[in-house]
Amino acid sequence: GNSVTQMEGPVTLSEEAFLTINCTYTATGYPSLFWYVQYPGEGLQLLLKATKADDKGSNKGFEATYRKETTSFHLEKGSVQVSDSAVYFCAPDGGATNKLIFGTGTLLAVQP
Amino acid sequence: NAGVMQNPRHLVRRRGQEARLRCSPMKGHSHVYWYRQLPEEGLKFMVYLQKENIIDESGMPKERFSAEFPKEGPSILRIQQVVRGDSAAYFCASSPGQETGELFFGEGSRLTVL
Repeated sequence: GNSVTQMEGPVTLSEEAFLTINCTYTATGYPSLFWYVQYPGEGLQLLLKATKADDKGSNKGFEATYRKETTSFHLEKGSVQVSDSAVYFCAPDGGATNKLIFGTGTLLAVQP
Repeated sequence: NAGVMQNPRHLVRRRGQEARLRCSPMKGHSHVYWYRQLPEEGLKFMVYLQKENIIDESGMPKERFSAEFPKEGPSILRIQQVVRGDSAAYFCASSPGQETGELFFGEGSRLTVL
């Protein structure tokens, strides 16, 4: 089945720093790829997605590009804010069903 | 519009008791997914249900765990004879169909086994 490997955290950055969280996946076929974010004490929310190769998903200043050749979907943001502090999950879909296969999550802590 | 509703938000049980976690999907959604988040770990898929059917239970422990999504009412994740290792956050998500797309998550139910 599909699987994902995600950059380990925690990642600690100062406000306005550049963010990259690496994500690589293993899949049969070409899954859709997702980034979800979990703020403290809450459930997961979709941050962005890409459904085919070379697609770029973007939202709230975050971006990720579907790279088929490197099977990667790295998350980037040019200038992080304290309010971006959360756990970020990369997830390919699981194939025949709509279930998502989540990575371990990367905790991002942004300091003022 | 109400989102995915889970209850209870927090549940404390003693070893050997039963835990029942409920999930009401978003209006119009007929697909429900349960995930478990253990401390310091990511989310692990448990089970995927449609109304009255279990579609994929490949992530469910073989014993003590069961799930249902009846024609009427919420989906229920049931854990019998809980052990300390069952302490975790259990998240429910719903979607309108099986096409690849967004899952909408509830805020989770946090089970503590004493």
